[in-house]
Amino acid sequence: NAGVTQTPKFRVLKTGQSMTLLCAQDMNHEYMYWYRQDPGMGLRLIHYSVGEGTTAKGEVPDGYNVSRLKKQNFLLGLESAAPSQTSVYFCASSSTGRGTEAFFGQGTRLTVV
Amino acid sequence: AQKVTQAQTEISVVEKEDVTLDCVYETRDTTYYLFWYKQPPSGELVFLIRRNSFDEQNEISGRYSWNFQKSTSSFNFTITASQVVDSAVYFCALTYISSGSARQLTFGSGTQLTVLP
Repeated sequence: NAGVTQTPKFRVLKTGQSMTLLCAQDMNHEYMYWYRQDPGMGLRLIHYSVGEGTTAKGEVPDGYNVSRLKKQNFLLGLESAAPSQTSVYFCASSSTGRGTEAFFGQGTRLTVV
Repeated sequence: AQKVTQAQTEISVVEKEDVTLDCVYETRDTTYYLFWYKQPPSGELVFLIRRNSFDEQNEISGRYSWNFQKSTSSFNFTITASQVVDSAVYFCALTYISSGSARQLTFGSGTQLTVLP
């Protein structure tokens, strides 16, 4: 059982370049999330989705776009990368149950130079 | 707005010592859940425990125990007889329960625990 899989695991981008991070889950979860982790700040929510075809903004959405065309996939896009987007990105998914825990991917370490 | 505070940025203990990681939260919601996650040096996030706002019973799981006190808005985590393998960053997190909403987590900034041999 793979759980939540993120692709790629590492990436270096030049300022202004674009890229897409892919998240796939095989647990049939309705909810999916993208977080970023920065030193001393914990994880902060970028965008989330409550189901196929839906997306919503989280705490720090600027500079990112997302899409959820299929229930199992949640894509995070950076249209024009900036050094401030250097971070570790985590995708997560959860069921609709009350108090259910989120399952996290392994993370993607992105460096923007 | 919700907030989770982990005031201890870094803690260092010697193996076999007991250690308590503090977590204080703020929320206006009456129904919410609290979580602890562990992030070992390999980087993944490992779920440890959840507690709902209506259940103030303490919980013990092996060397781990959790103390939830609504009166002080705290959800502290104690490791008894710490081991080197406990070295990790520990995150406390909070989510509210609302019909139709996802289970977004608000995280604390984490506590880096180092257990020395």
